Amino acid sequence: KQEVTQIPAALSVPEGENLVLNCSFTDSAIYNLQWFRQDPGKGLTSLLLIQSSQREQTSGRLNASLDKSSGRSTLYIAASQPGDSATYLCAVSSGAGSYQLTFGKGTKLSVIP
Amino acid sequence: DTAVSQTPKYLVTQMGNDKSIKCEQNLGHDTMYWYKQDSKKFLKIMFSYNNKELIINETVPNRFSPKSPDKAHLNLHINSLELGDSAVYFCASSRGNSPLHFGNGTRLTVT
Repeated sequence: KQEVTQIPAALSVPEGENLVLNCSFTDSAIYNLQWFRQDPGKGLTSLLLIQSSQREQTSGRLNASLDKSSGRSTLYIAASQPGDSATYLCAVSSGAGSYQLTFGKGTKLSVIP
Repeated sequence: DTAVSQTPKYLVTQMGNDKSIKCEQNLGHDTMYWYKQDSKKFLKIMFSYNNKELIINETVPNRFSPKSPDKAHLNLHINSLELGDSAVYFCASSRGNSPLHFGNGTRLTVT
């Protein structure tokens, strides 16, 4: 059974800092890994999707890496801004398509102005 | 312009009642989902549905049933509501292996 763990559970940083969020998964037989952002009272917004054959994806100030063999992914946020404050969730897909997504509990990020 | 919309946003009801949550997507996606986020913020799949196949998470009680009148809609019906059903329910959609697009959630409170 796939399990996804995110560390830390919460993180508070001053504006402008670079930061890294961690995600680990127990079964390396994944199809893809996705990072989402959840704002209070809102649904999830997809940030980056990394296929199992890829090692990283970049979008603006965000960079996600994937090391499938060790069961780890990181989300790097450069030059953090108060608007980045949200909960960040990692999810792995154990089969084709998005049905078999297993989510972590998320990391709650607060960026202090 | 909302891509995935679900109604209502809040739903408060008593134990034993039957209720429905509606979901619509205007993205032309072929697969829709229902997720449940419990009080500990854990997000778990309940159903996945496209015009060919309904996949049900075996842990979901049969009091929960999805109904899809067409490809753009997947409603969630819940019979005989229980206290433990209180949670936030999210609808989502996707096409092929694209990322999921989520609705804003329905907060269900059973009293």
